[in-house]
Amino acid sequence: AQSVAQPEDQVNVAEGNPLTVKCTYSVSGNPYLFWYVQYPNRGLQFLLKYITGDNLVKGSYGFEAEFNKSQTSFHLKKPSALVSDSALYFCAVRDVNNFNKFYFGSGTKLNVKP
Amino acid sequence: GAGVSQTPSNKVTEKGKYVELRCDPISGHTALYWYRQSLGQGPEFLIYFQGTGAADDSGLPNDRFFAVRPEGSVSTLKIQRTERGDSAVYLCASSLTRLAGGSGELFFGEGSRLTVL
Repeated sequence: AQSVAQPEDQVNVAEGNPLTVKCTYSVSGNPYLFWYVQYPNRGLQFLLKYITGDNLVKGSYGFEAEFNKSQTSFHLKKPSALVSDSALYFCAVRDVNNFNKFYFGSGTKLNVKP
Repeated sequence: GAGVSQTPSNKVTEKGKYVELRCDPISGHTALYWYRQSLGQGPEFLIYFQGTGAADDSGLPNDRFFAVRPEGSVSTLKIQRTERGDSAVYLCASSLTRLAGGSGELFFGEGSRLTVL
């Protein structure tokens, strides 16, 4: 079965500091991995994806994620956090046996304090 | 439209009642998905449409749930005999192309929050 895990319910970081939101995955075969962000009372927005190629993927709003096959991780990162980055972040993996399905993690609430 | 539109944004109903939730996808998107997001959880897959047909309904929890997309655009999620456990945010998403073999991302609406009393 395919799945992702987000071990932290909440991450707190000061504005201007680097941030990391963790995600680990469990898939059979090559993973298709995604990050989405959900602002209050808004729908999920696509941030970035890893399909193949360079392990460091760059996405929207200055975010990037590093694919690490040996650690089965896909952590989301940003060099300098903004207060406006405060939101709920979801990691997702696409089912390699059924491309119609995405499996989402339980989400991590990012709090960036001024 | 500019994005995926879902109505109503909020629905409060009583146990046992029938509910319809509507999704209007991004114009030209052939793939449409319904997900359910319970409090403190990530979205869970319900059903996928490619065009007018339900290509994959394996995520529907039971036969009280049904969805249609008669003209390949707007979709309606229908829930019969609602139960308190059905309370959640129901998310609709659309995509430009069929995802099988591709790597496209989903575009989500803001969701319909269903509360069953």
